[in-house]
Amino acid sequence: KAGVTQTPRYLIKTRGQQVTLSCSPISGHRSVSWYQQTPGQGLQFLFEYFSETQRNKGNFPGRFSGRQFSNSRSEMNVSTLELGDSALYLCASSLADRTEAFFGQGTRLTVV
Amino acid sequence: GEDVEQSLFLSVREGDSSVINCTYTDSSSTYLYWYKQEPGAGLQLLTYIFSNMDMKQDQRLTVLLNKKDKHLSLRIADTQTGDSAIYFCAESIGSSASKIIFGSGTRLSIRP
Repeated sequence: KAGVTQTPRYLIKTRGQQVTLSCSPISGHRSVSWYQQTPGQGLQFLFEYFSETQRNKGNFPGRFSGRQFSNSRSEMNVSTLELGDSALYLCASSLADRTEAFFGQGTRLTVV
Repeated sequence: GEDVEQSLFLSVREGDSSVINCTYTDSSSTYLYWYKQEPGAGLQLLTYIFSNMDMKQDQRLTVLLNKKDKHLSLRIADTQTGDSAIYFCAESIGSSASKIIFGSGTRLSIRP
């Protein structure tokens, strides 16, 4: 059974640009969550999608958005990139409510 | 509030047991997790414990949960050099338990 797949693994963007990251959950998993990991702030929850609906949202500005498709794949978009958006972005999937979460390898975004 | 705390560093001798401690604040947590992160890698789910359990053992790993004190620990028996990594304690919160709050991570280093 394939794990959580995130693409691309590495990305370099310039300030002001926008970026889209992709996450394919484990087959059958319906919940997809996104996290940002930085040395200064650690791991922070961005948002969670279930059945194409955003159910939970962390404390990030509106420049951070996401969506989920009918096949449970999810994308995360960051617009007007800032240097501080440089981070490892991790996606996690879980089968349903109250089940364990599994993480992908992450996308390392560098904003220059 | 939502908060998970753990010490930042732990150094143990190869072959000894490692014990990583964690405290959390949300008494409604459904799952409590231990994740491992090696340099440049994503998060690997090591083990988890459901909130109505006191202990879980999985090969060299033992998780102890004290719900009254909101204290979680991870014991790694016979610590090996391959166990060098950052270990994150985390709790799932919310009605769907899909939002995960992470500690700052404990960096485990192994002495020969």
